[in-house]
Amino acid sequence: DSGVTQTPKHLITATGQRVTLRCSPRSGDLSVYWYQQSLDQGLQFLIQYYNGEERAKGNILERFSAQQFPDLHSELNLSSLELGDSALYFCASSGEGLAGGETQYFGPGTRLLVL
Amino acid sequence: GEDVEQSLFLSVREGDSSVINCTYTDSSSTYLYWYKQEPGAGLQLLTYIFSNMDMKQDQRLTVLLNKKDKHLSLRIADTQTGDSAIYFCAEMDSGYALNFGKGTSLLVTP
Repeated sequence: DSGVTQTPKHLITATGQRVTLRCSPRSGDLSVYWYQQSLDQGLQFLIQYYNGEERAKGNILERFSAQQFPDLHSELNLSSLELGDSALYFCASSGEGLAGGETQYFGPGTRLLVL
Repeated sequence: GEDVEQSLFLSVREGDSSVINCTYTDSSSTYLYWYKQEPGAGLQLLTYIFSNMDMKQDQRLTVLLNKKDKHLSLRIADTQTGDSAIYFCAEMDSGYALNFGKGTSLLVTP
């Protein structure tokens, strides 16, 4: 158990809908990262937050957004969903995440299926 | 981002050593990681190595880093059936994100 929790574990929805994925980092970790794992693209970094502020952005679509709240939990919002958004979405957390080298611990993931 | 390359599949007999190879292209990577993913599960951190090291050993795991060739390997000694999983090599990019390879599926047969 990494200490990172994600809810829900599974999510089934329809195209055009909007969903919210939730992540609670390990106790004391300030950085939260979101990754998408799909069969064709593999594991891709989406976005990072540090202590409530956006820190780095990867291949995140404009239809997707995220935020980190004062209690450090984070939410990833996916809107106008398309079939191709079906994937496993991971959250990871780390301590400082500033100078690099801070190990990222991953949650169990949320499996999203868009029908 | 830069590509991290791994072979897709490896099969070994129980008790043998497994060697999973990875090449990366970002010479500025300061840390390189190995993660394990079992079916239906998340990513479990196995080990990592700092770029100024050549080798790191942790129980049955040995990581070798050749910075000149940008080559990383993970050796699992005395491989067990419970080691069957997908192994991901990852580099930390110049920001803070991990850049992953496609993963190597390790199958351990009795």
